[in-house]
Amino acid sequence: AQTVTQSQPEMSVQEAETVTLSCTYDTSESDYYLFWYKQPPSRQMILVIRQEAYKQQNATENRFSVNFQKAAKSFSLKISDSQLGDAAMYFCAYRSGATNKLIFGTGTLLAVQP
Amino acid sequence: DTAVSQTPKYLVTQMGNDKSIKCEQNLGHDTMYWYKQDSKKFLKIMFSYNNKELIINETVPNRFSPKSPDKAHLNLHINSLELGDSAVYFCASSPTSINEQFFGPGTRLTVL
Repeated sequence: AQTVTQSQPEMSVQEAETVTLSCTYDTSESDYYLFWYKQPPSRQMILVIRQEAYKQQNATENRFSVNFQKAAKSFSLKISDSQLGDAAMYFCAYRSGATNKLIFGTGTLLAVQP
Repeated sequence: DTAVSQTPKYLVTQMGNDKSIKCEQNLGHDTMYWYKQDSKKFLKIMFSYNNKELIINETVPNRFSPKSPDKAHLNLHINSLELGDSAVYFCASSPTSINEQFFGPGTRLTVL
């Protein structure tokens, strides 16, 4: 069975600085997708970024980028120029290419200090 | 212009009652899901429907029964509510099975 591990329950970053959130996963599949979701206090789940396992190039969305290391089964999220609005719970998620269920990590609560 | 909507947003009820949560998506997606987020924020899938057909049914008590009257709706009915059912329930949808999922705003269920 696939698992997703986020080893940092909480992180803090200064406004305008860069922070990296860690995520590792375990799978025997070769076809899968990885996602980062953001959940602010409003509790809405917002997709931040996604990565297809077959793509070697790391995904980037504006200030958000990932470091995808397939052999190491690592999928970290880098937030550059952190803003107050980035404060939220961040979830890493794995999706099998064979099924369509998302398996979530336990989340990392990110605080942004002014 | 809400993409995935859920009603109600908050639900407070007594143990033993039966309640339903409704979900609708206006995105034309084929697949819909129900997730449960517990008090520790852990998210876990419960059910998934594709074109009104049940395709994922995780280990969920029989008291939980999803119903999909059409492709745009997936409702969750819960019988004989227990204290442990208190959680936030999220509905989500995706256009195909391999695309990202779009989540509704969640329904916070509190069982007293």
